[in-house]
Amino acid sequence: QVQLQESGPGLVKPSQTLSLTCTVSGGSISSGDYYWSWIRQPPGKGLEWIGYIYYSGSTYYNPSLKSRVTISVDTSKNQFSLKLSSVTAADTAVYYCASLGYLFDYWGQGTLVTVSS
Amino acid sequence: DIQMTQSPSSLSASVGDRVTITCRASQGIRNDLGWYQQKPGKAPKRLIYAASSLQSGVPSRFSGSGSGTEFTLTISSLQPEDFATYYCLQHNSYPNTWTFGQGTKVEIK
Repeated sequence: QVQLQESGPGLVKPSQTLSLTCTVSGGSISSGDYYWSWIRQPPGKGLEWIGYIYYSGSTYYNPSLKSRVTISVDTSKNQFSLKLSSVTAADTAVYYCASLGYLFDYWGQGTLVTVSS
Repeated sequence: DIQMTQSPSSLSASVGDRVTITCRASQGIRNDLGWYQQKPGKAPKRLIYAASSLQSGVPSRFSGSGSGTEFTLTISSLQPEDFATYYCLQHNSYPNTWTFGQGTKVEIK
């Protein structure tokens, strides 16, 4: 069973870049079975898809965030990462990494990132 | 972009009730849709994939239906552990941007 764990700073200053890493265990990030994804949820609000990277390296992003988002993968560490630039208070959210596949999907526990000076 | 309209945004129901939640897509998405359950402080859990296939380990009281633009999640007999928020997620490959519905909070009547 695939397990995912998010890591990164819990506090980011406005205008800076939010950086999170998802470490994958129990499965290979080079697998074509999953879309390695980032999803976020502002406090008290709904889920928002941020984007995903496929094993081929192809990336797809939410159009509303596309200009600020980069998702990358480090196959040597079995990790994938999220960078979100020029953050504001509106980017405060629980950020989830997930491996979304046809038959199965797996989620990390989520990590709260607060944007504040 | 494909927009997902989920309804209702909340509902109150009693244990044993039949509950139906709907998601409508702004364009056809075949059956590229999943349903998720989320409880407070927890990551979402997928219940249904490919619009109508029950995820392994999920109770059979959950079912999904639909194709194209209209989709339904049904809980045939609501149980105490089912009080949660439910989301649909479309993952159509064209234009390859995914979208969650706004969520439906199922509360105890």
